[in-house]
Amino acid sequence: KAGVTQTPRYLIKTRGQQVTLSCSPISGHRSVSWYQQTPGQGLQFLFEYFSETQRNKGNFPGRFSGRQFSNSRSEMNVSTLELGDSALYLCASSRGLAASTSYNEQFFGPGTRLTVL
Amino acid sequence: AQSVSQHNHHVILSEAASLELGCNYSYGGTVNLFWYVQYPGQHLQLLLKYFSGDPLVKGIKGFEAEFIKSKFSFNLRKPSVQWSDTAEYFCVVNTDKLIFGTGTRLQVFP
Repeated sequence: KAGVTQTPRYLIKTRGQQVTLSCSPISGHRSVSWYQQTPGQGLQFLFEYFSETQRNKGNFPGRFSGRQFSNSRSEMNVSTLELGDSALYLCASSRGLAASTSYNEQFFGPGTRLTVL
Repeated sequence: AQSVSQHNHHVILSEAASLELGCNYSYGGTVNLFWYVQYPGQHLQLLLKYFSGDPLVKGIKGFEAEFIKSKFSFNLRKPSVQWSDTAEYFCVVNTDKLIFGTGTRLQVFP
């Protein structure tokens, strides 16, 4: 079974631009979660989508948004990029059978390394 | 606010040494606890998990962790590490979302 895939793997943008990252979950998984990993803040939860609806979100500004398609693929968008948005963005998928991320093992993708200049 | 503390940021050991990585969390309700591992150049993967029952849980590759509710701790242990255990280890608490600790970088020298 193929794992979680993320595209692109690397991205360089400049301040003020916007960016869209893509995540394809494991086949059969309906939940996709996004995380930001930085050296200073570690791994932080951004949001979770289940059946095309945002089911949970972390404490990030509205510049960070996402969506999920009917085939469970998900995209994450960051508008008006800031230098501090430079990070590794990880996507994780799970069956999502419970009402939240509880009790669902999450499988992580390789991440997208975003650099903002 | 819910948080996870990993006390050791960088641990260096020789092969065959014993390992214990500390993890404490702050959350008053029911939690699910995990340890995830990230080997160099690889994805994050689940090492072991605790949901309920026996507080001593065993994971892959000889790792185990003990949940001590009174201490809000979930320490990771391995009696004898190998060079291939070199990786970053994350303690994770699951309330309604995953909350990661800052990670512990383990280097094992042959």
